[in-house]
Amino acid sequence: GENVEQHPSTLSVQEGDSAVIKCTYSDSASNYFPWYKQELGKGPQLIIDIRSNVGEKKDQRIAVTLNKTAKHFSLHITETQPEDSAVYFCAPPPKGGADGLTFGKGTHLIIQP
Amino acid sequence: DAGVIQSPRHEVTEMGQEVTLRCKPISGHNSLFWYRQTMMRGLELLIYFNNNVPIDDSGMPEDRFSAKMPNASFSTLKIQPSEPRDSAVYFCASGILAFYNEQFFGPGTRLTVL
Repeated sequence: GENVEQHPSTLSVQEGDSAVIKCTYSDSASNYFPWYKQELGKGPQLIIDIRSNVGEKKDQRIAVTLNKTAKHFSLHITETQPEDSAVYFCAPPPKGGADGLTFGKGTHLIIQP
Repeated sequence: DAGVIQSPRHEVTEMGQEVTLRCKPISGHNSLFWYRQTMMRGLELLIYFNNNVPIDDSGMPEDRFSAKMPNASFSTLKIQPSEPRDSAVYFCASGILAFYNEQFFGPGTRLTVL
């Protein structure tokens, strides 16, 4: 099965600064790389994803970059705001995207005012 | 659309009792997933269904756990008998069967087994 590692486990940044979270995976067949955000008391919600034929994808203040050779992908959040405070999970599914997700341990992002 | 609906939102029970968690997926979705979240183990996939058929239940921890999906709009996760180590938040998610597709999570059921 897929082995997923996520770093750091906790990240504290000043409001307005950038945050970067990295995820490494083991399954070479992985070809879909999503990031989910979980706010307190809620279920995870997809915020951005990327497919293996693309190296980078951007959506306003968030972006995901993929390095298939090194088997890692990263979430970048620029101009952080208080509402960005949450737990972020990478969740590359094995065997493509039709199966259940394998979640990393999560990164608790804290935005300091 | 109301999103994925789970009930109850909170459940407190005593060890040995049967617990049934319920899920109503988003209308039109044909994949349904059950996950469990704990501090120690994070988010774990328990079982998932495609077109109401269980595809992979390798994440179900023990025979005490069972899940059913009798129709496209309803699924249950049952624990019998429950144990304190089953205490967790249980999430149901639904999606459209295809590669690269988003999963939509419900609000979760917080289960406490005393």
